[in-house]
Amino acid sequence: GAVVSQHPSRVICKSGTSVKIECRSLDFQATTMFWYRQFPKQSLMLMATSNEGSKATYEQGVEKDKFLINHASLTLSTLTVTSAHPEDSSFYICSATLGPVGYGYTFGSGTRLTVV
Amino acid sequence: EDQVTQSPEALRLQEGESSSLNCSYTVSGLRGLFWYRQDPGKGPEFLFTLYSAGEEKEKERLKATLTKKESFLHITAPKPEDSATYLCAVQAGNNDMRFGAGTRLTVKP
Repeated sequence: GAVVSQHPSRVICKSGTSVKIECRSLDFQATTMFWYRQFPKQSLMLMATSNEGSKATYEQGVEKDKFLINHASLTLSTLTVTSAHPEDSSFYICSATLGPVGYGYTFGSGTRLTVV
Repeated sequence: EDQVTQSPEALRLQEGESSSLNCSYTVSGLRGLFWYRQDPGKGPEFLFTLYSAGEEKEKERLKATLTKKESFLHITAPKPEDSATYLCAVQAGNNDMRFGAGTRLTVKP
């Protein structure tokens, strides 16, 4: 089945530094990937939609200069949290579409970011 | 605006005690309703997709049903390994997937 690999699974960084999270589709080409953020005991909140070869589309309230998304190939999307602060600590999850609308997504295993 | 509401927020069951989780939704042009299972510190794991009212799908102890306004996830004779958060999501024409807050299920042996 379709697999999305996400790395790293956990990262701790100092306040003010940047962190890059990778999301790869292993056995299929993903023209569209999605990045979600999840706080403890809360649901997944869509941050941005990443389209291969074009600029990402960010949800209202998500700072595009802080959360840089690059989707340079059909199998790789990256999320870079720039100048991270403790309030950016969260669980970040990527996903990829499996087909046209209605086919759903497959998800990565998530990245736990802790900013100290 | 698309909305997905799940209830209850948390559910504690004894092993073997069957129950149902609810997902109410409002969306323009439903293209699919999805159920996922999420274990702590992991990404969501796909369970079911439902496309039209009246549709039902089963997998082991789980059965998902769909009406025009809500979906139910029925759990029959649950086991401790069924403990997880169950997420409901809807997809409309724009391909976004909107999630409910989830139901945290705990099954005690």
